[in-house]
Amino acid sequence: NAGVTQTPKFRVLKTGQSMTLLCAQDMNHEYMYWYRQDPGMGLRLIHYSVGEGTTAKGEVPDGYNVSRLKKQNFLLGLESAAPSQTSVYFCASREVSVEAFFGQGTRLTVV
Amino acid sequence: RKEVEQDPGPFNVPEGATVAFNCTYSNSASQSFFWYRQDCRKEPKLLMSVYSSGNEDGRFTAQLNRASQYISLLIRDSKLSDSATYLCVVNSDTGGFKTIFGAGTRLFVKA
Repeated sequence: NAGVTQTPKFRVLKTGQSMTLLCAQDMNHEYMYWYRQDPGMGLRLIHYSVGEGTTAKGEVPDGYNVSRLKKQNFLLGLESAAPSQTSVYFCASREVSVEAFFGQGTRLTVV
Repeated sequence: RKEVEQDPGPFNVPEGATVAFNCTYSNSASQSFFWYRQDCRKEPKLLMSVYSSGNEDGRFTAQLNRASQYISLLIRDSKLSDSATYLCVVNSDTGGFKTIFGAGTRLFVKA
């Protein structure tokens, strides 16, 4: 019963470093999402994908890139990390008209 | 205007109280609606789906008013364990397949 798995769970980066967050789902869902959540705020959509090979921008896409080369995986990249990208990142997946399932989150600190 | 708006609270209520949360959404083409619960910045977890006919799950009742683009959640006989953030969630499965979250409403239930 893995569901949605995010790796890593914690990471500390120095300003300017790059990294990739991996989201993997085993439910054969078409739609996948990356959100960030800052203290006292809700989840803001960064990028999303409606199927293998597709990506689209959400509410706060700047500074991030994504790829969906395989249906089960959705990667979020930070090319040059900034302190403003310190946040908790959540990945989710779903099918049409049903609820989204979430990973446990990645806590990223950029110093 | 945000796509999904909620009163952030916090709501401070005694055990046994009834409390109601409201949410409005701006996209009239939105198709499915949910309430999620989030504890201490852990991943959001589905509380219940929301239907126009209204639906109930134990002490929780959810209602959707499509004409007013309004969603509600009623919690009866509040328990200490109900203390959490409640997130209103809207799926827009036409023109994007987005899943958009409200900022959340904080609830504190006190003995």
